[in-house]
Amino acid sequence: KNEVEQSPQNLTAQEGEFITINCSYSVGISALHWLQQHPGGGIVSLFMLSSGKKKHGRLIATINIQEKHSSLHITASHPRDSAVYICAAMIKAAGNKLTFGGGTRVLVKP
Amino acid sequence: DTGVSQDPRHKITKRGQNVTFRCDPISEHNRLYWYRQTLGQGPEFLTYFQNEAQLEKSRLLSDRFSAERPKGSFSTLEIQRTEQGDSAMYLCASSSTGGSNQPQHFGDGTRLSIL
Repeated sequence: KNEVEQSPQNLTAQEGEFITINCSYSVGISALHWLQQHPGGGIVSLFMLSSGKKKHGRLIATINIQEKHSSLHITASHPRDSAVYICAAMIKAAGNKLTFGGGTRVLVKP
Repeated sequence: DTGVSQDPRHKITKRGQNVTFRCDPISEHNRLYWYRQTLGQGPEFLTYFQNEAQLEKSRLLSDRFSAERPKGSFSTLEIQRTEQGDSAMYLCASSSTGGSNQPQHFGDGTRLSIL
């Protein structure tokens, strides 16, 4: 079993729909990253959170430390949101190296 | 802040050749990480440096792989006697150690294709 699990693996939505991606982890973490990767490979950090909730534009990330679970929500989705979204756990006492989920491929259709 | 820079962006080589990639982190960042990502998978940790010291290496980093960060600034990742299984995206990230939980900033990666 991977230390970081994401679901779903693939997601197709119509423009305007609300999207949720889930991430569960089994290790002790100091924080959790949500990352966005577009075709071509470049990775952009969307959020880093260790408790509660963060919001940036149409993106919302939440984390429940007790349940070891985080979610990324995209409100009013748009075709430009089409990308792979990856959660990554920052491992305590390990130089803050990241352990990644397998990614969720999101396609938003116009 | 010019971001994390990786060179080259793409590398195509024949099996058995040696390749070297370079990563220039954000200038004030003292931690530097290398990750590898195969097609359709999430990235996996390879190794990381704090300043010039290599503090951890993954079991994924076989004897054919070596990473250096000689002056605590840029880093190189060399793969000797490349194999087809080495085909992947090699990602570099950097962070500072000031305060707690500093975010990692990623480069655009080097995509390696072994013929």
